[in-house]
Order: sequence, then structure tokens, then C-alpha cells
Amino acid sequence: EAGVVQSPRYKIIEKKQPVAFWCNPISGHNTLYWYRQNLGQGPELLIRYENEEAVDDSQLPKDRFSAERLKGVDSTLKIQPAELGDSAVYLCASSWAINSYEQYFGPGTRLTVT
Amino acid sequence: AQTVTQSQPEMSVQEAETVTLSCTYDTSESDYYLFWYKQPPSRQMILVIRQEAYKQQNATENRFSVNFQKAAKSFSLKISDSQLGDAAMYFCAYISNFGNEKLTFGTGTRLTIIP
Repeated sequence: EAGVVQSPRYKIIEKKQPVAFWCNPISGHNTLYWYRQNLGQGPELLIRYENEEAVDDSQLPKDRFSAERLKGVDSTLKIQPAELGDSAVYLCASSWAINSYEQYFGPGTRLTVT
Repeated sequence: AQTVTQSQPEMSVQEAETVTLSCTYDTSESDYYLFWYKQPPSRQMILVIRQEAYKQQNATENRFSVNFQKAAKSFSLKISDSQLGDAAMYFCAYISNFGNEKLTFGTGTRLTIIP
């Protein structure tokens, strides 16, 4: 069974440019999470989806970040415009159900903003 | 708010020896889960072991075991017979069992295995 797939693995952009990350969760997982991991820190939740509904986006900087999961399967996280402080690893995770405590993580996307 | 603290930024151990990584947490809740995740250079977070707060018995997964002290809010990870493949960042994480599915992570411990 395939794990959580993310692309791209690496992205380098100049500040003020837009960027998008894609995540395909494990088949059948209805809950999807986007985390941001700053250098030397643990991941922090940005947004959580249950199917296509964003049930927790309280930590998402909504002035520049947006996310979607239109069909309740794969998801896209976008930043526009990017700032230097957005340099981080963006991790996607999925789980079987909203009350599952085993989240399976993808390999992440390392974003560098210059 | 829940917090997770890992006070050891770096640890090292000789191959085949045993090492213990420390984690403390703060919560006012009584029902929760604790985890240890491993993050190798590939960046993928891999679940190592899970502990349910209502279980008194410490979780064990092969060479990995935990010492869960609920009253002290302590959750350490013991790795026995350390192997080169164990080298990675290790993160302690907490999640409430009261409808908030946000994992709260510590800052991590970088484990080096000395051949």
C-alpha cells in the first residue's frame, strides 16, 4: 500500500512569488493534516481536513496561505506571496478517521525562500 | 494549552548500547495519547511507539520501550541494542482524546550512533 505522497520534495523560490504543495493521502484516509516544521523545531499544525471540510484552520495564516481538498482526497497548500520566514518543511499527514491517533506522514516538501 | 518539552537537543550512544531519551509534557487533561516519532534525514516522520494515558503498562515495540510516569508527566524512550539505522531526530508528541486531533510536538532530540 502506498504511503502519503507529497510533491515537490524541494522548492526554491524568490520572496513574493507564489508556491503550491500537493499531498495525496493514504487510500481511504478521510482526515488530512498539513504541518509546518521550522528548522530545529517540531511540526506545528496548519490545517486539518475531515473529508473536504477544513475543521481546524486556526493556525493557518490566512492572509497569504490557502488550502483546498475539493474531492476529499488529495489536497493543495498554497502560499502567495511567499516571505523569507516561510522557509520550512511542509509535512502532510493522514489518518483513518477523525478520532484516529495514528497519523501517517509524507516525506515533506522543503521550501527555501530567497 | 498543552506543551511538550525535550530537554536533550542531542544524544549519542555506542552501537549495541542502550540510550534513553527524555520527554516531559504539561496538560490538565486525564485522557490522552503520547508518541515517539523518528525523523531520519529523509524527513519522513515515522511512528516508533504509542502510549495511551489510561494504560498503566508501558508500551514496548521490539527494541523500543517507554517509561510512562503519568503523575510526573514524564514519557521517556529507551532504545536497546542501538543500531546505526536508529540515528535520527526523535520527537515526543502529545494528542488529547477530547476531540482535538492536533499533535503537539517537542523540539526533538538528535540521536547519533557511534560505531
